[in-house]
Amino acid sequence: GQNIDQPTEMTATEGAIVQINCTYQTSGFNGLFWYQQHAGEAPTFLSYNVLDGLEEKGRFSSFLSRSKGYSYLLLKELQMKDSASYLCAVRDTGGFKTIFGAGTRLFVKA
Amino acid sequence: ETGVTQTPRHLVMGMTNKKSLKCEQHLGHNAMYWYKQSAKKPLELMFVYNFKEQTENNSVPSRFSPECPNSSHLFLHLHTLQPEDSALYLCASSPNRGPQPQHFGDGTRLSIL
Repeated sequence: GQNIDQPTEMTATEGAIVQINCTYQTSGFNGLFWYQQHAGEAPTFLSYNVLDGLEEKGRFSSFLSRSKGYSYLLLKELQMKDSASYLCAVRDTGGFKTIFGAGTRLFVKA
Repeated sequence: ETGVTQTPRHLVMGMTNKKSLKCEQHLGHNAMYWYKQSAKKPLELMFVYNFKEQTENNSVPSRFSPECPNSSHLFLHLHTLQPEDSALYLCASSPNRGPQPQHFGDGTRLSIL
């Protein structure tokens, strides 16, 4: 079956670093994506990995290990506005299907 | 970003009503998607259109009927819905089938009475 697992909720302190993990089991793989979704708003694209390794984009980094079916999103210098849900998603091979995890709700406290 | 626009933002309807959700993208993308997002559940892909042709129908009940008149517009026609269909319906677009991110609209919050 197709499955993506990520923690339901996490809490971190302003200025700190937080790592949100994602494990996946999918029949195909054509990229792993991270999206941010604030309550009542559209998901917005943060980062993606097609090859193993770390992709850095300002305060956000994403890591992928295809052999382990594992990714993480790293957020540095946390700000209050980073409080949101973070969605891990895997694109299927050859088609348009993208499988999403249920999202990790991150609370940033002062 | 106003690349993908959905209307209406909120919709309340009875089970016997007929209504339509509209999505428009100004990004020049070729693929458009409908997703359903229920509380604490993953986004569920409903339909995909590529160059106006439907490429995915994820076993969606026939009370949901999509329409894609051109690459910029996507509709979801609703008829005889059930209370469990209450959810956020998100439209998205992407350039094509490659490993590219999708751009989402703000969604229509649908409530079935």
